[in-house]
Amino acid sequence: IAGITQAPTSQILAAGRRMTLRCTQDMRHNAMYWYRQDLGLGLRLIHYSNTAGTTGKGEVPDGYSVSRANTDDFPLTLASAVPSQTSVYFCASSASPGAGELFFGEGSRLTVL
Amino acid sequence: QKEVEQNSGPLSVPEGAIASLNCTYSDRGSQSFFWYRQYSGKSPELIMFIYSNGDKEDGRFTAQLNKASQYVSLLIRDSQPSDSATYLCAVWGNSGGSNYKLTFGKGTLLTVNP
Repeated sequence: IAGITQAPTSQILAAGRRMTLRCTQDMRHNAMYWYRQDLGLGLRLIHYSNTAGTTGKGEVPDGYSVSRANTDDFPLTLASAVPSQTSVYFCASSASPGAGELFFGEGSRLTVL
Repeated sequence: QKEVEQNSGPLSVPEGAIASLNCTYSDRGSQSFFWYRQYSGKSPELIMFIYSNGDKEDGRFTAQLNKASQYVSLLIRDSQPSDSATYLCAVWGNSGGSNYKLTFGKGTLLTVNP
């Protein structure tokens, strides 16, 4: 089934550890996004990529980095995790940067202790 | 700061009734508007989009847009228990220069009671 695959689905992590959340799409979409969703705060954009080889900062980029080496993959890295990064992380894609129809992965639940 | 506001709810309606979900936005230059549905523990999925003033119908769902009032709504007719979910309003607009950004509201929790 075409779509977005995220891994891991759930992870408990000690503070200070490095963590990479993986995201792969097979729809050949140009744009990809990372959101975090927290109770009471809604979905907030962390980083985005309009096309392979380019990335940009969203609303809450601090403490996170991304890369987009090819069309399909868009990993999100937490260099040194902190408890405030406990959240549900969603990867999403759209056919083009200007398209508002986003397709979401199933999410990665991250707990930082 | 461009904002999208929704009543957090919960909005509770009986089965078969019309559920009305509302959203206001602050950026008058916003160009397109989306409604996503998110079941508990699941990821958001797009159910409706609207670009022009007026109504747009798709099955039991109707999206309504009033750009002058900066208001967008989603009506769900003949509500079913399976419609129970959080509904996210999202607004697409220019965040500066050639950058466009999709801004989400915090969502309204809808409960449809059998």
